[in-house]
Amino acid sequence: GQNIDQPTEMTATEGAIVQINCTYQTSGFNGLFWYQQHAGEAPTFLSYNVLDGLEEKGRFSSFLSRSKGYSYLLLKELQMKDSASYLCAVDSSYNTDKLIFGTGTRLQVFP
Amino acid sequence: DAMVIQNPRYQVTQFGKPVTLSCSQTLNHNVMYWYQQKSSQAPKLLFHYYDKDFNNEADTPDNFQSRRPNTSFCFLDIRSPGLGDAAMYLCATSRVGGTDRTFPYGYTFGSGTRLTVV
Repeated sequence: GQNIDQPTEMTATEGAIVQINCTYQTSGFNGLFWYQQHAGEAPTFLSYNVLDGLEEKGRFSSFLSRSKGYSYLLLKELQMKDSASYLCAVDSSYNTDKLIFGTGTRLQVFP
Repeated sequence: DAMVIQNPRYQVTQFGKPVTLSCSQTLNHNVMYWYQQKSSQAPKLLFHYYDKDFNNEADTPDNFQSRRPNTSFCFLDIRSPGLGDAAMYLCATSRVGGTDRTFPYGYTFGSGTRLTVV
């Protein structure tokens, strides 16, 4: 079956660093996406990993280990506006980009 | 500059009254998708069009249909909306076969349509 697991909720304080983990078991793997989603809005693209290793983009970094079926999103210098849900999604198809989403991690940033 | 546009942003429909949601894109992507996202749940793929080829997910109810009259537009038709169909409906596009998977060349979402059934 297809399974993507993330913690349901996390909290952190402004200025801190937080790591959101994602483990996956899918029938295929063509890349892994991280999206940010504010309440009532559409997901917005954060990162894409297809090879093992760390991808850094400003305050956000994403890591992938394909052999372990594991990824994490690292958020540095947290800001209040980072309070949102973070969705891990696996592109499991080589023919079309059918994304399988985890249920998301709701991050609450406190002052 | 919006590249995947969904209209309307909010839609209220009556129980059992057919409703159509629309999606348009300026990215010239060859695949368009419709996802349903209920509150506090993950987006769930309903179906997608690969060019003109329609691909339905096995567990998508017959109540949901889709049309793609051309590359730029895709519609979601709900024939007889029930209370359980109230959700955010997300349209997404991608270019399968492209080598650059980063935004905006890869998977791109529209702003969504929030459907309320009364």
